[in-house]
Amino acid sequence: EPEVTQTPSHQVTQMGQEVILRCVPISNHLYFYWYRQILGQKVEFLVSFYNNEISEKSEIFDDQFSVERPDGSNFTLKIRSTKLEDSAMYFCASKFLAASSYEQYFGPGTRLTVT
Amino acid sequence: SQKIEQNSEALNIQEGKTATLTCNYTNYSPAYLQWYRQDPGRGPVFLLLIRENEKEKRKERLKVTFDTTLKQSLFHITASQPADSATYLCALLLPSGYSTLTFGKGTMLLVSP
Repeated sequence: EPEVTQTPSHQVTQMGQEVILRCVPISNHLYFYWYRQILGQKVEFLVSFYNNEISEKSEIFDDQFSVERPDGSNFTLKIRSTKLEDSAMYFCASKFLAASSYEQYFGPGTRLTVT
Repeated sequence: SQKIEQNSEALNIQEGKTATLTCNYTNYSPAYLQWYRQDPGRGPVFLLLIRENEKEKRKERLKVTFDTTLKQSLFHITASQPADSATYLCALLLPSGYSTLTFGKGTMLLVSP
């Protein structure tokens, strides 16, 4: 069964450094999302991406964050200058195009630790 | 303010019993409500979706109800098994937007043998 993959599974970085989290969505999906989950808290929406542009973003997704689909398969989340409070699990998700399809498929996540 | 509340942080039940989890929301008008399962250190996995004009949805041992007047959804797992132990997340899908999900904090279900 096709699945969303994410790399790395765990990333440790120092405060102020840039990180890029990578995702490979399911191949025939056209909507892509990033969510994050701080330890012990709820899953929070960051950004959605469709047709090579951001379609929605939350208040969390400030100028330090950016997303890109550099080729036909990868979808990346960049954090320019990490802060301690960026430590969280980051989930990529994708969705099929059909208007009647609302199920999102989540990847296993990247645990980001900022020290 | 907008809130999604899931009845408790943890629910312990005996194997074979029915687990009932609650999701209440305020100041939202969702078009759809979804339930996901999340295992420790893993991403959410979709279980069921129910539309605002549907009262009940079933899938195998799972049943979801949706009451837009009470602003509440109930999620039932019948004949529960230890393998059902996980955190269950309620998520709202609002009418506008690109299918972004707003999640509750989840209820951790522990099914004891």
